[in-house]
Amino acid sequence: EVQLVESGGGLVQPGGSLRLSCAASGFIFSSYWMSWVRQAPGKGLEWVASINQDGSVKKYVDSVKGRVSISRDNAKNSLDLQMNNLRAEDTAVYFCAKLYCTSTTCYTIYDYWGQGTLVTVSS
Amino acid sequence: DIQMTQSPSSLSAFVGDRVTISCRASQGVSRSVVWYQQKPDKAPKSLIYDASTLQSGVPSRFSGSGSGTDFTLTISSLQPEDFATYYCQQYASYPITFGQGTRLEIK
Repeated sequence: EVQLVESGGGLVQPGGSLRLSCAASGFIFSSYWMSWVRQAPGKGLEWVASINQDGSVKKYVDSVKGRVSISRDNAKNSLDLQMNNLRAEDTAVYFCAKLYCTSTTCYTIYDYWGQGTLVTVSS
Repeated sequence: DIQMTQSPSSLSAFVGDRVTISCRASQGVSRSVVWYQQKPDKAPKSLIYDASTLQSGVPSRFSGSGSGTDFTLTISSLQPEDFATYYCQQYASYPITFGQGTRLEIK
């Protein structure tokens, strides 16, 4: 059974830092692109960042570029999101998500998600 | 960036109704659209990808259509468990972008 379990959320002051982690199990982690998607309270979904299988390709939404870094450790089946210089608008539930692949094709859509971890940026 | 605009933002319907939710892309995305269903305090669940391909295990009352810039999610006969928020997402190019959501409520 595929499981994605996020941790590391919490309350942080504006300008502060936080590191989110996602523990993956039940699939060959090193074979899949992974992403972080966030959802502000009562709002819609926003893609944040994606990383390829070996960590050599990383993509970010413009609003977090230069402040956020996605990384992975395939030996530990873990995905991280280092967030620096946090702003109030970064307040959201952050989901770790696995990209969907068929036997022949991978799609930048998400078939498994974690339960999310809440990040609150407030003084 | 490609903007995805859903309509309506909210919708009330009866069990058994046929409902349609629309999603318009600000530029052509071919058929690279996925639809998700999200229930309160839960992660989204993918329903349809490539505009019209039903995800495994999703009931056949869900269907999708469209290509280019205009896409539609149809639920042929609403069931009580279908009341949720629905999102479209394009994956034609980065940044990946979502529609703002359509909240489907019981009338």
